Amino acid sequence: SAVISQKPSRDICQRGTSLTIQCQVDSQVTMMFWYRQQPGQSLTLIATANQGSEATYESGFVIDKFPISRPNLTFSTLTVSNMSPEDSSIYLCSVVGGHGTEAFFGQGTRLTVV
Amino acid sequence: AQKVTQAQTEISVVEKEDVTLDCVYETRDTTYYLFWYKQPPSGELVFLIRRNSFDEQNEISGRYSWNFQKSTSSFNFTITASQVVDSAVYFCALYNFNKFYFGSGTKLNVKP
Repeated sequence: SAVISQKPSRDICQRGTSLTIQCQVDSQVTMMFWYRQQPGQSLTLIATANQGSEATYESGFVIDKFPISRPNLTFSTLTVSNMSPEDSSIYLCSVVGGHGTEAFFGQGTRLTVV
Repeated sequence: AQKVTQAQTEISVVEKEDVTLDCVYETRDTTYYLFWYKQPPSGELVFLIRRNSFDEQNEISGRYSWNFQKSTSSFNFTITASQVVDSAVYFCALYNFNKFYFGSGTKLNVKP
């Protein structure tokens, strides 16, 4: 199994500013995933972060808005840039192990933009 | 295309009632995994069960049971004798090719 530590757990930010969310895994993983969950909605994949290469973004998400770093096999960050109230969501990081036999999620970051 | 449908947006039951949460999925792949997660108000996702596409056996874990039927592309979740602590949003998800496809979730309200 994998234990994921995600921080901050919550934050209230001013519009126009940026927030960086950190995700630390207790074991080495090839791929890490970042999701957004808007209020009352399901989870939407933002991007897949691979160590040593550029993140792969899903349709509707761009690197300028959600830059991702993946400096090693246990750590990743997601930055929400130039925030607006529409960015208020829960952001979750996730890793998958064993050919999809296990999936682990961080505790989530509850972001409110005012 | 991959898709997961949870048609029940919100369900309310009284404690001790049984409740079934429906999940229908779409995929053209023969190898995939199905998951159920619970999301309490605190926001974290709690893993409940994983099933691969080759294992149609139903599973029971305490008050929880799951019915996987490939013929109808369904993976339904039943809570027996529901409790207030079961109140949460429940997500069904399909996983293959390194991606999760989540349903829209079903909010379960269990009233005392």
